[in-house]
Amino acid sequence: DAGVIQSPRHEVTEMGQEVTLRCKPISGHNSLFWYRQTMMRGLELLIYFNNNVPIDDSGMPEDRFSAKMPNASFSTLKIQPSEPRDSAVYFCASSLGQGAEAFFGQGTRLTVV
Amino acid sequence: GESVGLHLPTLSVQEGDNSIINCAYSNSASDYFIWYKQESGKGPQFIIDIRSNMDKRQGQRVTVLLNKTVKHLSLQIAATQPGDSAVYFCAEKRNNNDMRFGAGTRLTVKP
Repeated sequence: DAGVIQSPRHEVTEMGQEVTLRCKPISGHNSLFWYRQTMMRGLELLIYFNNNVPIDDSGMPEDRFSAKMPNASFSTLKIQPSEPRDSAVYFCASSLGQGAEAFFGQGTRLTVV
Repeated sequence: GESVGLHLPTLSVQEGDNSIINCAYSNSASDYFIWYKQESGKGPQFIIDIRSNMDKRQGQRVTVLLNKTVKHLSLQIAATQPGDSAVYFCAEKRNNNDMRFGAGTRLTVKP
C-alpha cells in the first residue's frame, strides 16, 4: 500500500487566492483527519471524518476553511480566500476503527505570500 | 479547553543511553494515549499506544507508562540510536476518534 497520499507537496500562492489540498487515505480506512502544523501552535486538529461524515470541525479556524469527503477514497481541504497566516504544513491522516493507529501523509507545505 | 503536553522541551542523550520523554495530559476521559515520532520533512509516525485501562506497555526498544493518578505519560527508549533523533509527540484519543497532539519533545542523540 502506498500509504496516505497528499497533493500537492508544496504550494505557494498569493493572498486572496483559493487553495485546495487533496488527500487519498489508505484503502479500507474509515476515519480521516486533517491537521495543521506550525511552529507556534504545533499540530492542530482541524476536522475529522468517520465513514465520510464530518464529526467535529471545531478546529477549523474560520469560515474561509472548508473540508469535504465525497467518498471513502478522497478528501479535500479548501481555503478561500487564503491569507499569509494560513502558511503551515497541512497533514492528512487515516485510520481503521476507533483506537487504531493513524497513518499520516507526507504533508502539504503551504506558503501564502 | 483541555490539552495535552503544553511544552516543547528538548532532550539530548548519548548514543546507547536510555531516553525518557514525558507528557502531561489533562483530559481524564481519553481512551487511548499514543506516541508518535516525526522526522524532519515527514509526517508523524506511530510508535506505540496504550489504553487507558493499562499502566504499561512494551514494544521493541520502547516502553510507554501511563499514570492516570497524576495524568502523566512517558515514553522510554532503550539503547537510543542516532536514528531515534526526531520530535516525539504524545497524543490522546477519545472514544469518538478525536485525536489531539501535545507540543512535542525534540530528542537529539549524540554519537
